[in-house]
Amino acid sequence: GAGVSQSPRYKVTKRGQDVTLRCDPISSHATLYWYQQALGQGPEFLTYFNYEAQPDKSGLPSDRFSAERPEGSISTLTIQRTEQRDSAMYRCASSYGGVDGETQYFGPGTRLLVL
Amino acid sequence: SQKIEQNSEALNIQEGKTATLTCNYTNYSPAYLQWYRQDPGRGPVFLLLIRENEKEKRKERLKVTFDTTLKQSLFHITASQPADSATYLCALNYGGSQGNLIFGKGTKLSVKP
Repeated sequence: GAGVSQSPRYKVTKRGQDVTLRCDPISSHATLYWYQQALGQGPEFLTYFNYEAQPDKSGLPSDRFSAERPEGSISTLTIQRTEQRDSAMYRCASSYGGVDGETQYFGPGTRLLVL
Repeated sequence: SQKIEQNSEALNIQEGKTATLTCNYTNYSPAYLQWYRQDPGRGPVFLLLIRENEKEKRKERLKVTFDTTLKQSLFHITASQPADSATYLCALNYGGSQGNLIFGKGTKLSVKP
């Protein structure tokens, strides 16, 4: 596609519910990243994928957070048993990957509100 | 753990002046450093990348420097315009298997006409 897209753009959920966020990266991009961004802060790394491999999950805050990219293209981020502190903007980015392919292209984000 | 500081949360300057934003980091130097622009309600947009063995990079009115001795990068916008008003984020990458970026909090630049 022309750019990175994310859905939904906004999600309101009740505490304890599960949510799944979707990211559709630029089609030629091997690498996909998930970040969490609080208001007034820079994005914070959650996890990333090289195609379908997930080399680094170190930024996931707890085992309630998981991500998948089963076919190396679209990715989902799932938060189980949501808590109010999970409320934030969740951003996806993609890049060509490798040397000289480090520029990350960000999507518009999904704003999650947990009531 | 690595800490990144962008020297001010907000910077106000007059149109036509040069804006200079600072990014300082602790510990060891990154493989490269990037600067992004973020407008309200939007995702960050890549501006410039500078590697640890480079001192300076330019792109149109933008210039970035990288001093690994001072552990600092400076980002300059010359002949600033009101359209340059945005939040500017500094981000570090340590290469290897660590593909992720570590972002600073950003500096909100306002250029007054």
